Amino acid sequence: GAGVSQSPRYKVAKRGQDVALRCDPISGHVSLFWYQQALGQGPEFLTYFQNEAQLDKSGLPSDRFFAERPEGSVSTLKIQRTQQEDSAVYLCASSEQGLDFSGANVLTFGAGSRLTVL
Amino acid sequence: GNSVTQMEGPVTLSEEAFLTINCTYTATGYPSLFWYVQYPGEGLQLLLKATKADDKGSNKGFEATYRKETTSFHLEKGSVQVSDSAVYFCALMRSGGYQKVTFGTGTKLQVIP
Repeated sequence: GAGVSQSPRYKVAKRGQDVALRCDPISGHVSLFWYQQALGQGPEFLTYFQNEAQLDKSGLPSDRFFAERPEGSVSTLKIQRTQQEDSAVYLCASSEQGLDFSGANVLTFGAGSRLTVL
Repeated sequence: GNSVTQMEGPVTLSEEAFLTINCTYTATGYPSLFWYVQYPGEGLQLLLKATKADDKGSNKGFEATYRKETTSFHLEKGSVQVSDSAVYFCALMRSGGYQKVTFGTGTKLQVIP
């Protein structure tokens, strides 16, 4: 597609529910990132994929968070047993280049999925 | 580790005023530097970038110069418009490995007519 598409745009969950957030990156983009943006804050890195391989998951806040990109295109971020502190906007970004690119990689961001946990 | 510090907002300016949003960074190696903009209800958009010391990034009348000696990348615009109202994020991309981006906390700009 023309841009990075995320769904749903808005999600309200009761505490303890599981949620799944989807990201459709730009076709052919090798790298895919997930970020978490709390209200009034900058985006914080969660995890990185190069194609289907999850090369860095150091930013995932707990083992309740899980991300996958099984075919190297669409990615899903899953949050189990949601807590109120999980309320945030979850941003997905993709880029054309991968690990072996030595230049300045430009990320294209989706509009985000706003999660509210009650 | 890498970090970005930018001035707190909100910043309120009258139309045609001069804008400066300060940004400093801490990083190992030689990072690339970026300004992203987030308009209400939209995703982050790249505004401009600079990849090495003394480079000047510019776009839509905005500009920023990569100053290695002061580890700064201040955003400037000579004459702001109401349509520039948005949140601006300074960011750095580390050198080496995959291109992980670290963001500042953002500065909200409101331009009034």
